[in-house]
Amino acid sequence: DTAVSQTPKYLVTQMGNDKSIKCEQNLGHDTMYWYKQDSKKFLKIMFSYNNKELIINETVPNRFSPKSPDKAHLNLHINSLELGDSAVYFCASSQQESPSRYFGPGTRLTVT
Amino acid sequence: AQSVSQHNHHVILSEAASLELGCNYSYGGTVNLFWYVQYPGQHLQLLLKYFSGDPLVKGIKGFEAEFIKSKFSFNLRKPSVQWSDTAEYFCAVLSQGGKLIFGQGTELSVKP
Repeated sequence: DTAVSQTPKYLVTQMGNDKSIKCEQNLGHDTMYWYKQDSKKFLKIMFSYNNKELIINETVPNRFSPKSPDKAHLNLHINSLELGDSAVYFCASSQQESPSRYFGPGTRLTVT
Repeated sequence: AQSVSQHNHHVILSEAASLELGCNYSYGGTVNLFWYVQYPGQHLQLLLKYFSGDPLVKGIKGFEAEFIKSKFSFNLRKPSVQWSDTAEYFCAVLSQGGKLIFGQGTELSVKP
């Protein structure tokens, strides 16, 4: 069974569109994250949610809006997509008191 | 601000060669350190981690890393690499705010 899953795996869309990426974890963790990996493979945290509450919000355009309907899900909605949003987006989860992160397979977003 | 620096951008080795990837961090407090591996087209997987205790930690697939506090370093080593070790390797430190901060990554190419 996949521990952290993301859908879709690939997403190709045009500038200006709105899209969502879904993430689910079946590990019973209480904290979930979104990371962005740019074309140079650099990974940076975007958001972190603990028990459905936002706890980390890095300097990310407000076109990006995470939504956590429950502890096992953290979705990422992106409005008015721009070329620079093209990247691989990784979801991850952990127990709040544990430093270890479990990563999902990533969603490769290409904006044309 | 905390940061992680990986000295080598791209390392090319022949099979059976020994590997050492450098990682330095800038963080004066208690550190939790990680090495992650990302095989081509796959998600991040944890290779090994250091929280406390023995500074020489052993991970999966024959990898090990040594935490040297005086040098703020956590270098990754493997005595004999295989073609299947071809991947991107990321060093990371967990900051006090709970953020996992990644280095720039080192691409390892192993020639058969």
